[in-house]
Amino acid sequence: SQQGEEDPQALSIQEGENATMNCSYKTSINNLQWYRQNSGRGLVHLILIRSNEREKHSGRLRVTLDTSKKSSSLLITASRAADTASYFCATDGSNDYKLSFGAGTTVTVRA
Amino acid sequence: EAQVTQNPRYLITVTGKKLTVTCSQNMNHEYMSWYRQDPGLGLRQIYYSMNVEVTDKGDVPEGYKVSRKEKRNFPLILESPSPNQTSLYFCASRGLLNTEAFFGQGTRLTVV
Repeated sequence: SQQGEEDPQALSIQEGENATMNCSYKTSINNLQWYRQNSGRGLVHLILIRSNEREKHSGRLRVTLDTSKKSSSLLITASRAADTASYFCATDGSNDYKLSFGAGTTVTVRA
Repeated sequence: EAQVTQNPRYLITVTGKKLTVTCSQNMNHEYMSWYRQDPGLGLRQIYYSMNVEVTDKGDVPEGYKVSRKEKRNFPLILESPSPNQTSLYFCASRGLLNTEAFFGQGTRLTVV
């Protein structure tokens, strides 16, 4: 069964604006990861946040994790056309090494 | 270059004709897995393997087989494909604790 669920399903923004998407999950985790997928291609890892971390940055990406609410958010600042993609959260279970993905958020950045 | 290689990239086949999709990784990763991706459903795990000769079912294993005879290879076998297995398939590998997954480029399978 899918562990993570992203919200919203789709997001359209103007270039230069920020994009925020959320992920909720159901069971305890070792870590939570975010991936990007460009148009039917392979997923690319963006960032990993461990269960004992609350916030992490990588370039224009900011990820937060609230384990009490079982939720995470991904913020992309100053978006560019090249950020147009689908974004997936994936949870790494505390009892196994299985990565479970949500259905993803499709982000469109308009020039 | 660290990579996961899947073949073929595209495949059209007929119902019932056995096929194999190969997956190979060059990172000496213990963990390998197969996912299928369908519109609106995200990625669903088919099978995974923690190491050589160790495989287990994921969320949607029906109609699929896998084997892990060598650490680098993890082929996906469809003994008797059906149209509902038409999908985009991804192979992934990773180390164990707190590591990112590396994905292949995908195999788009159509069963007619």
